[in-house]
Amino acid sequence: QLQLQESGPRLVKPSETLSLTCSVSGGSITNNNYHWGWIRQPPGKGLEWIGSIYYTGITYYNPSLLSRVTISVDTSKSQFSLRLRSVSAADTAFYYCSRLSSGTPADSWGQGTLVTVSS
Amino acid sequence: QSALTQPASVSGSPGQSITISCTGTSSDVGAYDYVSWYQQHPGKAPKFIIYDVIKRPSGVSNRFSGSKSGNTASLTISGLQAEDEADYYCSSFTSSTTYVFGTGTKVTVL
Repeated sequence: QLQLQESGPRLVKPSETLSLTCSVSGGSITNNNYHWGWIRQPPGKGLEWIGSIYYTGITYYNPSLLSRVTISVDTSKSQFSLRLRSVSAADTAFYYCSRLSSGTPADSWGQGTLVTVSS
Repeated sequence: QSALTQPASVSGSPGQSITISCTGTSSDVGAYDYVSWYQQHPGKAPKFIIYDVIKRPSGVSNRFSGSKSGNTASLTISGLQAEDEADYYCSSFTSSTTYVFGTGTKVTVL
């Protein structure tokens, strides 16, 4: 059974870079039927799609975050990562990693991790 | 890209049916049959319950059904149960090769 697990710092200072990694187990990150992505949810608010990556490195990003976000993949470790630059308090959220299938941004979800931006 | 529009709240009594709407544009909901729905209980990750407008993943109750007309998709919950009380989100693929979520709907079982 596919499992996704987020890891990374839970506290980030304003103007610095948020970095998270998602470890994939129970399935192959190089399966050509799937992309891999990130979704976030500020506490008490709605979901926002951040972006996705294919195992070959092709990426797609939310236009509103395009200037600050990078998603990368390491197939040898079965991991993909999120970097969000120049963060502010508005970036405080639960961050979820997901598996994308055709037309669906998340057919599987990680448990999510709360990242707080604060000095 | 703007979030898809959902009602903030919908309520119903046990056994009743309720419908949640999800309104987008001709660049997302109206353009593709790639609408998904998610159920989220407090403190939990969302659960995938509908894809490709009308399809249910394995293991999801047939009390959940989806539909679409023009730029508006809908999720219907039949035979409402206490366990259905949760937040529900729609999502759609877009013409920009991205995804957009709905604003979310809180379902209350009276």
